[in-house]
Amino acid sequence: DGGITQSPKYLFRKEGQNVTLSCEQNLNHDAMYWYRQDPGQGLRLIYYSQIVNDFQKGDIAEGYSVSREKKESFPLTVTSAQKNPTAFYLCASSYHRDRGYNEQFFGPGTRLTVL
Amino acid sequence: AQSVAQPEDQVNVAEGNPLTVKCTYSVSGNPYLFWYVQYPNRGLQFLLKYITGDNLVKGSYGFEAEFNKSQTSFHLKKPSALVSDSALYFCALYNFNKFYFGSGTKLNVKP
Repeated sequence: DGGITQSPKYLFRKEGQNVTLSCEQNLNHDAMYWYRQDPGQGLRLIYYSQIVNDFQKGDIAEGYSVSREKKESFPLTVTSAQKNPTAFYLCASSYHRDRGYNEQFFGPGTRLTVL
Repeated sequence: AQSVAQPEDQVNVAEGNPLTVKCTYSVSGNPYLFWYVQYPNRGLQFLLKYITGDNLVKGSYGFEAEFNKSQTSFHLKKPSALVSDSALYFCALYNFNKFYFGSGTKLNVKP
């Protein structure tokens, strides 16, 4: 089945630790995105990538880092510099704009809790 | 600047009645608009989109949306609500390689 997967589903982190959230897609999509969702605030863009080995900061990139070494994968690292990392993290992918204005496909999400 | 607004945090409707979830947008250039639905602790699912053409767009699960350029709105509608439609709904705008999401509207459909 084609789709986008995120792991783990739940993640607990101690303060001061870095953690990496996985996002993989087999949809042959060019673009990938990371969002953070907090109650009542909708989705906020952390980072996005249009092509391999290139990515841009979104609206709330501080305290996060990403890599895009493969088209299928876009891992997100939540660093100790992120002051309030407890949230629901969503990964999404889509075709590049050059292929038309296409919708995003979302993964099931990772819920990160800082202990 | 581009933005999306969903003026209602929550919409309550009785099963069988029509429903409307409101969305307004602001963008320089052509608007590319989307609606998504989210069930608890799940990712978002695509419902429908407006790129160009007819102002009434039909989507999944019987939903439709009406694009109104003069009012800069893209309201989501369904003629007859189901209890299973209860969820969180997001309107989104695509511009310059990014998607801008509204804050979401919780739809409650009561039996």
